[in-house]
Amino acid sequence: DTAVSQTPKYLVTQMGNDKSIKCEQNLGHDTMYWYKQDSKKFLKIMFSYNNKELIINETVPNRFSPKSPDKAHLNLHINSLELGDSAVYFCASSQAGPAGNTIYFGEGSWLTVV
Amino acid sequence: AQSVTQLGSHVSVSEGALVLLRCNYSSSVPPYLFWYVQYPNQGLQLLLKYTSAATLVKGINGFEAEFKKSETSFHLTKPSAHMSDAAEYFCAVSDGNTDKLIFGTGTRLQVFP
Repeated sequence: DTAVSQTPKYLVTQMGNDKSIKCEQNLGHDTMYWYKQDSKKFLKIMFSYNNKELIINETVPNRFSPKSPDKAHLNLHINSLELGDSAVYFCASSQAGPAGNTIYFGEGSWLTVV
Repeated sequence: AQSVTQLGSHVSVSEGALVLLRCNYSSSVPPYLFWYVQYPNQGLQLLLKYTSAATLVKGINGFEAEFKKSETSFHLTKPSAHMSDAAEYFCAVSDGNTDKLIFGTGTRLQVFP
């Protein structure tokens, strides 16, 4: 039973299109994240939500819009896709509370913009 | 601001040899430190974490790491490498106020027979 699941796993799309990646966690966590891994494997946080409220927004272009309908879901919508958006996007979750909590990652969504 | 530096983007060892992956951190507050592993085309899996309890932390798959404040290091070791250990390893630090993780650039471990 997958703890953090995201769909689709692979996505190939053309420049200018709009696409969404969905994420769900069944761990009962209050906090969810989106991380981006670029072609050099560098991982960086994009957004963090706590109980549906935006906590962290790391200077991500406005074309990226996260949406959290409830605390178990955090979807990522991307408008007007650009070549540079090609990356692996990881959804993750953790329990709220004192820092140092383990962050659990999904399997990733491989986005290729052509 | 917190940061981590992983020395060596690639490490190659023979099966059965010692694995040593290096990580140094910079933090203005007592850090929380993590090692994650990423197998090809998969997500990240926690190997172990340090949260100010014991300085020697044991993780899954026979890995362990030692927190050394004097050296600002949190190196990952395993006494005997297996072929299945071949993967990308990431050291990370959290900022102490939130669970936001700041990752190092990763080290690819290759294991030769």
